[in-house]
Amino acid sequence: SQQGEEDPQALSIQEGENATMNCSYKTSINNLQWYRQNSGRGLVHLILIRSNEREKHSGRLRVTLDTSKKSSSLLITASRAADTASYFCATDTGANSKLTFGKGITLSVRP
Amino acid sequence: EAEVAQSPRYKITEKSQAVAFWCDPISGHATLYWYRQILGQGPELLVQFQDESVVDDSQLPKDRFSAERLKGVDSTLKIQPAELGDSAMYLCASSWGPRTYEQYFGPGTRLTVT
Repeated sequence: SQQGEEDPQALSIQEGENATMNCSYKTSINNLQWYRQNSGRGLVHLILIRSNEREKHSGRLRVTLDTSKKSSSLLITASRAADTASYFCATDTGANSKLTFGKGITLSVRP
Repeated sequence: EAEVAQSPRYKITEKSQAVAFWCDPISGHATLYWYRQILGQGPELLVQFQDESVVDDSQLPKDRFSAERLKGVDSTLKIQPAELGDSAMYLCASSWGPRTYEQYFGPGTRLTVT
């Protein structure tokens, strides 16, 4: 069953522009994580934000978390063609910290 | 940099045959996960190990799927018999522990059942 739901499903931008991706979830979480997946490859962890955090930065990435709205956003600034990939949010819930992934957002960055 | 290893990378098998996938996690990682990812979807957890013990296999179709991590290190996922609907990417991931830790994914095994 899907816990996280990303929005939009697909995003196409020009190199140098910022990309904003959103994730909504249904139940309370321990943390929320964002992953990137290049075509046909495994997932790469981008950033983790805990339920008591509101904002986190890592390089060109900025993630926010609003637990009252059960939503998160991932901002990629100054996008590059190499950022072209699928992006997934994953929510960590329960005692065993099971990760539940959304369906993903396909980001295309045009050179 | 240490990586999660998986083999084979690609597997084509006929329905009703048996198939097995292998995963070697990053050294020292106590938690190991097997996911199935259908094209266009996010990964879905099949089974989670803490050391050699299964802590979550609620989504594992136990009539045909089995998983083991005998010495708490590498792991094998088996499907017998394979069905057409099993065609997917099978991903292995590992982490230091189950709580508030990022997961490191292997490159996956692309299974095609004909």
